[in-house]
Parts: sequence; C-alpha cells; structure tokens
Amino acid sequence: AQSVTQLDSQVPVFEEAPVELRCNYSSSVSVYLFWYVQYPNQGLQLLLKYLSGSTLVKGINGFEAEFNKSQTSFHLRKPSVHISDTAEYFCAVTGAGSYQLTFGKGTKLSVIP
Amino acid sequence: DGGITQSPKYLFRKEGQNVTLSCEQNLNHDAMYWYRQDPGQGLRLIYYSQIVNDFQKGDIAEGYSVSREKKESFPLTVTSAQKNPTAFYLCVSTGGPGTQYFGPGTRLTVL
Repeated sequence: AQSVTQLDSQVPVFEEAPVELRCNYSSSVSVYLFWYVQYPNQGLQLLLKYLSGSTLVKGINGFEAEFNKSQTSFHLRKPSVHISDTAEYFCAVTGAGSYQLTFGKGTKLSVIP
Repeated sequence: DGGITQSPKYLFRKEGQNVTLSCEQNLNHDAMYWYRQDPGQGLRLIYYSQIVNDFQKGDIAEGYSVSREKKESFPLTVTSAQKNPTAFYLCVSTGGPGTQYFGPGTRLTVL
C-alpha cells in the first residue's frame, strides 16, 4: 500500500515569486509519481509525472518536480508564479504494476498580486 | 476524439433517494475508478473495476454501488445508506502507467 503526505494545506505567495509545494510518499514497492492541478469546479489536470529515468521532471505551465528516492519526496516547484496559478494541487502515487492512484490531501496555492 | 465524460455536472438529491452518476469512456481502457472529493480530504477511492463484469471496493465503498456491464461504462449509484453524500465525484479511466484520464466531475448536493 502507498500513502502520500502533502506537508502544507495552504501556500500564499506573491506574484512573480518562486514557490515549492512539498510532497512525501511511502511505499514498499517502486512508484510512479504525479502532480495534478484543479481549478474550481473542474476535474483534475495532469501537470507532470515521474515514471522512470531523469529525476527532474518538467511539466506544463512552467512547473517542475524532482524525484528524490532517498528522501521519498516529489516536491513541485515554479521559479515565478502567476495569478493564474491560483488553484489546488494534488500529489499522487501508484505502485509499479498498479494503476490505482493514491492522493494527498491537496495544497491550495494562492498567488497574491 | 477519445475521452471520458461524466453526467450530470450538477445533481441534487432529496434525503432517502438513490441517484446514479454516469461515467463513459471511449478510450478502450480496461480500468475505471470512482473517487470522492471533500474539502481538505483529497480524493478517496470508492470503487474500481479492472475488467468488465468485475469490480472491487475501495476505501469508502459503504453506501455506494457500481456496475460494469460494458467496457465503456461504469455508473455509480449513491444509495440512501450513504449518510453524507454531498461531495464532488470524479471518474477516472486508465490504460496503463501514467495514462490516467479524469472526467470533469459531478457535484452532488443533498437537499
């Protein structure tokens, strides 16, 4: 079984400042890792995913994340946020060989003008 | 274009009524999932199905039922036994690692 911990429920940040949303996971098997974004009253949109290979993963909208196996982390970063990045962000994990996603509780990112 | 749809987008239910949420995909995916989303809770798994005519309970299956008579369809029924059904419901289909597709969701409100 897997579990995901998103360490911050809310993150306020000023426009054009950098941001990091933290995600830690636990699993007894190899994992695939994902970050999703959700805008109000909408479904989830995939930002980026780590399946294998390079531990630095680049996604849409200028976001990137780094898989750190020793620290069991998959933190999401953006060097300069925009008002339109205001949304809720979910980290998720599946065990290799499984398609079932386990989600964190989400982090609400608020970008302040 | 292939995709996954959910209907209706908004649904209102009186206490004691059963309601059925639709989820359809034309991606030829074998696996489909239903999640429930509550504020501050993330997404929790209700039921999932990996092949036609077979499905398993997730973490919060009580008060829900599903069927999988066709590969394309995985409807979720919220029964009167579900004591707190007001939530946002998301359907997901997948054909392999990293290929999860999310429906747009159904917001259910109990009046």
